Amino acid sequence: QVQLVQSGSELKKPGASVKVSCKTSGYTFTSFAMTWVRQAPGQGLEWMGWINTNTGNPTHAPGFSGRFVFSLDTSVSTAYLEISSLKPEDSAVYYCARLMTYYYYYIDVWGKGTTVTVSS
Amino acid sequence: EIVLTQSPATLSLSPGERATLSCRASQTVSGTFLAWYQRRPGQAPRLLIFGASRRATGITDRFSGSGSGTDFTLTISRLEPEDSAVYFCQQCETLPWTFGQGTTVEIK
Repeated sequence: QVQLVQSGSELKKPGASVKVSCKTSGYTFTSFAMTWVRQAPGQGLEWMGWINTNTGNPTHAPGFSGRFVFSLDTSVSTAYLEISSLKPEDSAVYYCARLMTYYYYYIDVWGKGTTVTVSS
Repeated sequence: EIVLTQSPATLSLSPGERATLSCRASQTVSGTFLAWYQRRPGQAPRLLIFGASRRATGITDRFSGSGSGTDFTLTISRLEPEDSAVYFCQQCETLPWTFGQGTTVEIK
């Protein structure tokens, strides 16, 4: 059974950093790309980008470069999202999701989301 | 970027009725790159339809997708109470990939 288990909620102060983990199981980690999606309070879903789990090459959506870093640890089948210099507007639920890219492109499995709250 | 506009924002229907959800794209999207998801309260989103019309594994045939170009539709036939959720479409053809804002389906 494919599972994406995300780390728990985080409360951070402005200017701090946070690293969200997404531990996968039930499939070969490097066979599927990983994507990240954000949902801020009262807002819709925003696609943040994706990372090739074979090469580690990331693709960032506009507005999600610089402070937003996608990384991998293939030895433990885990993807990470690190956000630095946190701002209150970064408060959101962050989802990792497995990305299908074999002819059809879509997300087939989602994590349950990690709530990041940025507040002084 | 491609804007996906979903309508209606909210749909309130009775069990057994049919729901028709629309996803309109600001530019042409190949059906290969159009998917629909369901998110029930407190749960992770779930894939329903990929390739505009292909049901994901384990999805009941009450859910069907159709459309091409700029107009796509998700139809839920014979609504059941567990269909109460937010439904959203996504295009993965043109960067940045985008989501519709969602349609909330309420079961009376």
